[in-house]
Amino acid sequence: EPEVTQTPSHQVTQMGQEVILRCVPISNHLYFYWYRQILGQKVEFLVSFYNNEISEKSEIFDDQFSVERPDGSNFTLKIRSTKLEDSAMYFCASSERPHEQYFGPGTRLTVT
Amino acid sequence: AQSVTQLGSHVSVSEGALVLLRCNYSSSVPPYLFWYVQYPNQGLQLLLKYTTGATLVKGINGFEAEFKKSETSFHLTKPSAHMSDAAEYFCAVSPGSSNTGKLIFGQGTTLQVKP
Repeated sequence: EPEVTQTPSHQVTQMGQEVILRCVPISNHLYFYWYRQILGQKVEFLVSFYNNEISEKSEIFDDQFSVERPDGSNFTLKIRSTKLEDSAMYFCASSERPHEQYFGPGTRLTVT
Repeated sequence: AQSVTQLGSHVSVSEGALVLLRCNYSSSVPPYLFWYVQYPNQGLQLLLKYTTGATLVKGINGFEAEFKKSETSFHLTKPSAHMSDAAEYFCAVSPGSSNTGKLIFGQGTTLQVKP
């Protein structure tokens, strides 16, 4: 069964460093998403991406964040200058149509 | 603005007992509703969804949920709990007017199943 994959599973970085989280969505999916879950809190929407552009973003998704689909298979989330409060589990999701998203296993980002 | 409230952050049931996880939502337009399950150290897995049509929806692993518009609820049930059902459960809503499919999640409910 096709699934969304994410790498790395755990990323440790120092405050101020840039990180790139990688996702491989399911191959025939057209809609891509990033969510995050700070420890002990709810899963929060960050951004949606369709037709090679951002279709919606949350207030969390400020200028420090960017997304890219550099080729036909990967979908990346970049944080330019990490802060302590960026520590969270980041989930990638994809869907063939809106409203039926399949999630990856997540990348745990720890900022020290 | 849309929001989701899950009543009870922890629910404990005995194996074989009924599982009932509560979810209420607020939405100005008919929403799409979802339940996801998260097992330890894994991602979110779609259990079931309501978009249109029949208000009682069946999902995987014997779970079902009923959309009640008058009560703005979408409670998740399973007649008989199994030890393997122990996990975190998330209710989510996607505004029906949204063409991006953005999901808004509840706080989650941890289900404990006792032998």
